[in-house]
Amino acid sequence: QITLKESGPTLVTPTQTLTLTCTFSGFSLSTSGVGVGWIRQPPGKALEWLALLYWDDDKRYSPSLKNRLTITKDTSKNQVVLTMTNMDPVDTATYYCARAYTQHGDSFDYWGQGTLVTVSS
Amino acid sequence: SYELTQPLSVSVALGQTARITCGGNNIGSKNVYWYQQKPGQAPALVIYRNSNRPSGIPERFSGSNSGNTATLTISRAQAGDEADYYCQVWDSSTAWVFGGGTKLTVL
Repeated sequence: QITLKESGPTLVTPTQTLTLTCTFSGFSLSTSGVGVGWIRQPPGKALEWLALLYWDDDKRYSPSLKNRLTITKDTSKNQVVLTMTNMDPVDTATYYCARAYTQHGDSFDYWGQGTLVTVSS
Repeated sequence: SYELTQPLSVSVALGQTARITCGGNNIGSKNVYWYQQKPGQAPALVIYRNSNRPSGIPERFSGSNSGNTATLTISRAQAGDEADYYCQVWDSSTAWVFGGGTKLTVL
């Protein structure tokens, strides 16, 4: 059974750095073709892809946010960490981590439940 | 940057066929993915690579892609199909791109 779960602060103040952890089970980030990505969704709005890290440590970032994002992995702990600097109220959203697997093309086939992050002073 | 356009809402009578479109420049040359998101839940993949269904997705869900429009078709619509639906592609300049989402209402 494949599961992913996001963890991190629910409230951050403007200009702070957000650190989110995705802890997963049921698959390995050492397996060829596997990746873990982050997607966010502001309240009542659409999904927005942020970053993705592949099994071979290839990292991809949203062009519009790449200067603020860093994605890393701890394979031994089955975790992927996303950091986003200089948080702003417009970054208030539910943040999801999800598995990407080339068997299903460039899609996200399993998702975490999401974690709501509010940016406010 | 690559953009995907979806209608804000689509309505369908119970038991009828719903079609949700996703427009993009020459989208037919790309692989399109569709997600279903019910209120308070995470998205779930329902179609991958234009027309393939992941395990567990009913045959009522199908997809097509040609020219500048991809379409998600839901046959014999059920009340449980009410949800937001998002299309997604991978683009060489923008990477993973999502459409704006379509709210499906089953009447």
